Amino acid sequence: SQTIHQWPATLVQPVGSPLSLECTVEGTSNPNLYWYRQAAGRGLQLLFYSVGIGQISSEVPQNLSASRPQDRQFILSSKKLLLSDSGFYLCAWSVLRGSTDTQYFGPGTRLTVL
Amino acid sequence: AQSVAQPEDQVNVAEGNPLTVKCTYSVSGNPYLFWYVQYPNRGLQFLLKYITGDNLVKGSYGFEAEFNKSQTSFHLKKPSALVSDSALYFCAVRVLSGNTPLVFGKGTRLSVIA
Repeated sequence: SQTIHQWPATLVQPVGSPLSLECTVEGTSNPNLYWYRQAAGRGLQLLFYSVGIGQISSEVPQNLSASRPQDRQFILSSKKLLLSDSGFYLCAWSVLRGSTDTQYFGPGTRLTVL
Repeated sequence: AQSVAQPEDQVNVAEGNPLTVKCTYSVSGNPYLFWYVQYPNRGLQFLLKYITGDNLVKGSYGFEAEFNKSQTSFHLKKPSALVSDSALYFCAVRVLSGNTPLVFGKGTRLSVIA
């Protein structure tokens, strides 16, 4: 069966520091991968998605970037964190190649920028 | 453009009573509709989806949803609410190709009172 991992689970970082969040999927190959941010326990904002190695689509201009160095690895980064980067970051994957495929989410990373 | 609306920020229901969480959608083609649930500090869990066929879809934990094309709605229902159903619920839609991410509503917080 497929599983998705995110780490770290929680992170407290000072303003201006760099960021690296990692997401890995097991038990599948060539998944679509997604990064979402959730602020204040409410709506989801799609940040990036990837349909293959090195292929990244950015949904909103921001202080973050994403990379996919391996088939089942998706990394979210920042060179200098802002206070507004605080939130709950969720990685998701889907595997089928059709409109009906389901996205499955990881456990999330809680980021607090002080 | 595709979008979903969850008109209620909060729904309160007594334990044992039926519950409904509302969702309406706007797409320019056949919609594929999804419901997810999120417990505090957790990732989203997939509940159910509508692709085609029977308008009543049954999912996990006793939840079901009814697709109504004329009203462009996909309301989530459960005949008898449990306190453990208290969580944040998200409706999502996709109509374009499978490589496009789901579009999520803003979420509805369900509180089941004992």
